[in-house]
Amino acid sequence: DGGITQSPKYLFRKEGQNVTLSCEQNLNHDAMYWYRQDPGQGLRLIYYSQIVNDFQKGDIAEGYSVSREKKESFPLTVTSAQKNPTAFYLCASSIIPDSYEQYFGPGTRLTVT
Amino acid sequence: AQKITQTQPGMFVQEKEAVTLDCTYDTSDPSYGLFWYKQPSSGEMIFLIYQGSYDQQNATEGRYSLNFQKARKSANLVISASQLGDSAMYFCAMRVPRRRGGSEKLVFGKGTKLTVNP
Repeated sequence: DGGITQSPKYLFRKEGQNVTLSCEQNLNHDAMYWYRQDPGQGLRLIYYSQIVNDFQKGDIAEGYSVSREKKESFPLTVTSAQKNPTAFYLCASSIIPDSYEQYFGPGTRLTVT
Repeated sequence: AQKITQTQPGMFVQEKEAVTLDCTYDTSDPSYGLFWYKQPSSGEMIFLIYQGSYDQQNATEGRYSLNFQKARKSANLVISASQLGDSAMYFCAMRVPRRRGGSEKLVFGKGTKLTVNP
């Protein structure tokens, strides 16, 4: 079955450590996105990538970094510079960057203490 | 600036009844798209329905319909014949057109928690 996988579902880290969240898709989609969701809030865009080896900052990119070395993969690193990293992180993809429908993965809940 | 407003933090409905979830939006772009997503407790976002700004007819997908009132800038979701499995968070989102060098992106509201009672 085609879809988006994110691992792990739950992630715990100590403050000051970098952590990388995985996102893989086998839908052959060109565009991929990372969103952050806080309690009682909608999603906010962190980074997006329209094509391999290219990515742009979203609305809240500070403290995060990404790479897009393969079409299928778009990992997100939460660095120690991110002041409030505890959140629910969702990865999404779309067929082309301007496609109106984005498909979402199951999400990773990151807790930093 | 583009913005989505969902004024109902929570809604309750009896099983088999219809329910309307409110969404208003703000944009100065003539071309835009409006979406509704469902987020169950598992966390995954599930696409429900889409309405383009130039679409003449209201969008429908099974038990979901979108009541699009362009002059009022509203895009309410109507769920007919509610089921227990409809209990979830519901998010309204707007597609923000491409800016120079950028990509289209989605702007989300804060969501409405729907509870369907047996």
